[in-house]
Amino acid sequence: DVKVTQSSRYLVKRTGEKVFLECVQDMDHENMFWYRQDPGLGLRLIYFSYDVKMKEKGDIPEGYSVSREKKERFSLILESASTNQTSMYLCASSPFRELNYGYTFGSGTRLTVV
Amino acid sequence: GQQVMQIPQYQHVQEGEDFTTYCNSSTTLSNIQWYKQRPGGHPVFLIQLVKSGEVKKQKRLTFQFGEAKKNSSLHITATQTTDVGTYFCAGPTSGTYKYIFGTGTRLKVLA
Repeated sequence: DVKVTQSSRYLVKRTGEKVFLECVQDMDHENMFWYRQDPGLGLRLIYFSYDVKMKEKGDIPEGYSVSREKKERFSLILESASTNQTSMYLCASSPFRELNYGYTFGSGTRLTVV
Repeated sequence: GQQVMQIPQYQHVQEGEDFTTYCNSSTTLSNIQWYKQRPGGHPVFLIQLVKSGEVKKQKRLTFQFGEAKKNSSLHITATQTTDVGTYFCAGPTSGTYKYIFGTGTRLKVLA
């Protein structure tokens, strides 16, 4: 069974902390994505990556950075956590050229910044 | 920028009633995808539509892509409690594999 695994289901961090959210996929997918999900706002793209060491900003990159040193792993970094970054974070992956495949999402990390 | 909007935001139906959610894009789409997210879960890919006017069925679910490829709908016939969840449409940003998601329609089914 193919999988996208996010390292933590729930996290509580303090304002100003540096936070790392990890995502690993076992499907050899080229594309990986980080979204945040907030009530009434749907899923908003933070960053995505088409290949190792490549990254592109999504719609709401401010306050975030990413790292993709290996194909299977895509990390989201909150440089200095703030309360407005309290949210559900979803990682997803997809193959580069397969058009009828869709995204495979991880189970999500619910981050609370206090 | 490109926007994908869904209506309604919420829908409560009695079990056995039909349900429809509508998705509208500000730009023409090369394809559109639909996802379902169960309460407490993560979005799961349902289907992709590519052709203008395309209609696809999955059991009680019927998906349609508009002729102008700017809108889509998901219709569920005779809803069941297992249909509860939020349904998202998603369209690609032109020339990329980056998808913009609609705000979703949250369906509640009353037994």
